[in-house]
Amino acid sequence: QQQVKQSPQSLIVQKGGISIINCAYENTAFDYFPWYQQFPGKGPALLIAIRPDVSEKKEGRFTISFNKSAKQFSLHIMDSQPGDSATYFCAASKDGGFKTIFGAGTRLFVKA
Amino acid sequence: DVKVTQSSRYLVKRTGEKVFLECVQDMDHENMFWYRQDPGLGLRLIYFSYDVKMKEKGDIPEGYSVSREKKERFSLILESASTNQTSMYLCASRAPGLAAGELFFGEGSRLTVL
Repeated sequence: QQQVKQSPQSLIVQKGGISIINCAYENTAFDYFPWYQQFPGKGPALLIAIRPDVSEKKEGRFTISFNKSAKQFSLHIMDSQPGDSATYFCAASKDGGFKTIFGAGTRLFVKA
Repeated sequence: DVKVTQSSRYLVKRTGEKVFLECVQDMDHENMFWYRQDPGLGLRLIYFSYDVKMKEKGDIPEGYSVSREKKERFSLILESASTNQTSMYLCASRAPGLAAGELFFGEGSRLTVL
């Protein structure tokens, strides 16, 4: 019930294309869903996050789509660039708690 | 900018050695965390501390302990390192009032146990 399942494990996209990473959760008590971006040799950094009271959140080329009934959320990277090549983690947490549950990660490679 | 510093970026230790991983944050955050990152498994919580001298077990605490004597410093201790503890270790902090999942990470400490 605490898992967050992330797919795909790896993704190759052409420059200018759309990258899509999907996540599914089980615990309906989760109320904060962040995405983290990690470059090689660096720690993860918060990229964008959403709460279940909205179905979509956009920041620049990054968009989170959220489907509360299906318990799924996804990250869309529009106009993907080689500089977006990184590992992306979805996560879920509950306000008032201390634990954040992370997905297994997706390695994105954007071909120039 | 919040800075979370992990002093040891790369360590090689032998089985049975005691290992200390240090983490310092400069933003007066109350909450600090130690995660372990392994390919295909994502990040898993080892221990967290919600205040000085306070600590709680995460999801995989076996074989680890922690120490938080000062607010800015959170140490992870491997009492007797084993090869299955070879991993990337990530320290994180969180400010009060932020969402539970809004974490600031250090750059990681890659530990190899031979």
